[in-house]
Amino acid sequence: SQQGEEDPQALSIQEGENATMNCSYKTSINNLQWYRQNSGRGLVHLILIRSNEREKHSGRLRVTLDTSKKSSSLLITASRAADTASYFCAIYAGNNRKLIWGLGTSLAVNP
Amino acid sequence: SAVISQKPSRDICQRGTSLTIQCQVDSQVTMMFWYRQQPGQSLTLIATANQGSEATYESGFVIDKFPISRPNLTFSTLTVSNMSPEDSSIYLCSAVTGNRDTEAFFGQGTRLTVV
Repeated sequence: SQQGEEDPQALSIQEGENATMNCSYKTSINNLQWYRQNSGRGLVHLILIRSNEREKHSGRLRVTLDTSKKSSSLLITASRAADTASYFCAIYAGNNRKLIWGLGTSLAVNP
Repeated sequence: SAVISQKPSRDICQRGTSLTIQCQVDSQVTMMFWYRQQPGQSLTLIATANQGSEATYESGFVIDKFPISRPNLTFSTLTVSNMSPEDSSIYLCSAVTGNRDTEAFFGQGTRLTVV
């Protein structure tokens, strides 16, 4: 399967701590994206990292990509209760014009 | 960017009936997609909605059960036909404005319960 795999499946931390989520995949990619979903609603795009990029930042978010290991990580620094959500990675691979989704990580940030 | 309005946001339906979900984008998009998501799980692609032609369905999904229309570049509907309790799920509309190098936008989802 080309589906991405994320770990951990669930993560619980205290406010102010950092949260790290990992995503692994099995095929060559064009880009890898991270999304956030609150309470089973619509997904919101966080960051897109291309296959020739190794690291990207957006505010408190840092994404790394290691194409040799076919893996990516999402780091949320100084977490807040509002960061409580499910986080998904998704990839575009080859000529496929549809995203392939990971299984998601459920993050709980406790006040 | 694109803003997607999806409705209804939730519905409770009787088994054997059909529900049509609407998805309206505020700008022209290149591709539109319909997903299903079971609680606590990942997204499963139902089909790609093609403008002016039949949708492209993923394995396990058929047109008779999930007819899709996309009459123009900004609007699509998904119908869940002859519903059973197994169809209870969240249905999500998504769109992209470019090709593979751009982000996807999502509607807020339709939470469907079949009783």
